[in-house]
Amino acid sequence: DAGITQSPRHKVTETGTPVTLRCHQTENHRYMYWYRQDPGHGLRLIHYSYGVKDTDKGEVSDGYSVSRSKTEDFLLTLESATSSQTSVYFCAISESGTGAFAQPQHFGDGTRLSIL
Amino acid sequence: SQQGEEDPQALSIQEGENATMNCSYKTSINNLQWYRQNSGRGLVHLILIRSNEREKHSGRLRVTLDTSKKSSSLLITASRAADTASYFCATGSNNNDMRFGAGTRLTVKP
Repeated sequence: DAGITQSPRHKVTETGTPVTLRCHQTENHRYMYWYRQDPGHGLRLIHYSYGVKDTDKGEVSDGYSVSRSKTEDFLLTLESATSSQTSVYFCAISESGTGAFAQPQHFGDGTRLSIL
Repeated sequence: SQQGEEDPQALSIQEGENATMNCSYKTSINNLQWYRQNSGRGLVHLILIRSNEREKHSGRLRVTLDTSKKSSSLLITASRAADTASYFCATGSNNNDMRFGAGTRLTVKP
């Protein structure tokens, strides 16, 4: 399995609180991604990174911010969590080469986030 | 919005039978990938097929891509109980976009 660790694995918090999820990789891969998975929707891309300090928005980026200060860490922040952000969040990585979304992605085991 | 749509949504077969899942999409793609997800786990990459390829094999897996029909299929031959999982297609586009379908839930009965 690719060396991807997501933390925390489970979190319950209240509406309006800030939440930060962490993704740590040991593979030295260039690209990192954050997805959310909801029933009936498959996975939807939130943000992705193509290098240190280089990030871009995905399909459902509103209400989320990201940061990547080191190759190995990609943080997802919900500045003021809402109940609609209750979901399972997955981090993924892929190697450099032909570009983002053109290579296989390797996923972490997810963070289950509940916002009450 | 989803790009790929899998069909069927759920499939139940006996061990040893073949399982076929289909994926349709709407816009031009650079590549199409298939992933498997076991309950409570992350997705595992199975096969990537590029838009200029028509068929790829990996062990008991066969993937076809028909860009004229904007569709792909995943065939799992001689299925095993361990193949029980959800299977997702994901389309990659040149505009740095990747969209997953809602998945097919496969159950293989021993």
